Amino acid sequence: AQKVTQAQTEISVVEKEDVTLDCVYETRDTTYYLFWYKQPPSGELVFLIRRNSFDEQNEISGRYSWNFQKSTSSFNFTITASQVVDSAVYFCALSVLDSSYKLIFGSGTRLLVRP
Amino acid sequence: DAMVIQNPRYQVTQFGKPVTLSCSQTLNHNVMYWYQQKSSQAPKLLFHYYDKDFNNEADTPDNFQSRRPNTSFCFLDIRSPGLGDAAMYLCATSTTGVSNNQPQHFGDGTRLSIL
Repeated sequence: AQKVTQAQTEISVVEKEDVTLDCVYETRDTTYYLFWYKQPPSGELVFLIRRNSFDEQNEISGRYSWNFQKSTSSFNFTITASQVVDSAVYFCALSVLDSSYKLIFGSGTRLLVRP
Repeated sequence: DAMVIQNPRYQVTQFGKPVTLSCSQTLNHNVMYWYQQKSSQAPKLLFHYYDKDFNNEADTPDNFQSRRPNTSFCFLDIRSPGLGDAAMYLCATSTTGVSNNQPQHFGDGTRLSIL
């Protein structure tokens, strides 16, 4: 069975602080994909990143960075120098190769960045 | 420009009165999904279409139906809405492309209220 755990329900930081959102996944499949989505208060889910199980290279995109560690089944997301506009709910999700394209979401982490 | 468009943004209906939510896409993606998201929860997949093939999740209530008359449009029909069906309904699309598990692109959602 597949499962995604985001243990942090809510995080509150002050603007310009760095913050890391944790994601731990479970799957027995050797080929799988991991995603992060952002859901601002307006409601739409915004795709941030996709990573496949064979690519453990960490990725940086502006203030965002992702740390994929297969040894610990984690795919953590760090925002550097957080801004108020980063306030949103962030979802980590898993998809296995033969899953009929189904996304398995974690429960989400609500990030509040205070001015 | 919006690529996955959901109408209306807010929908109010009466208990037991059928309601239809619509989704259209300009991406020409072959897979379309409907999710239900209740407050402070992760999106829950209801069903998806792979081209014209309909795939229902095992725990989706019979009260929920879907139609996909063509590639661009997909509808969610709730035959007899109950109070528990009040939620945000999210439409998403993806393409199978070169490999499976491409990112899903979400619309802004329709927030459904039941009176």
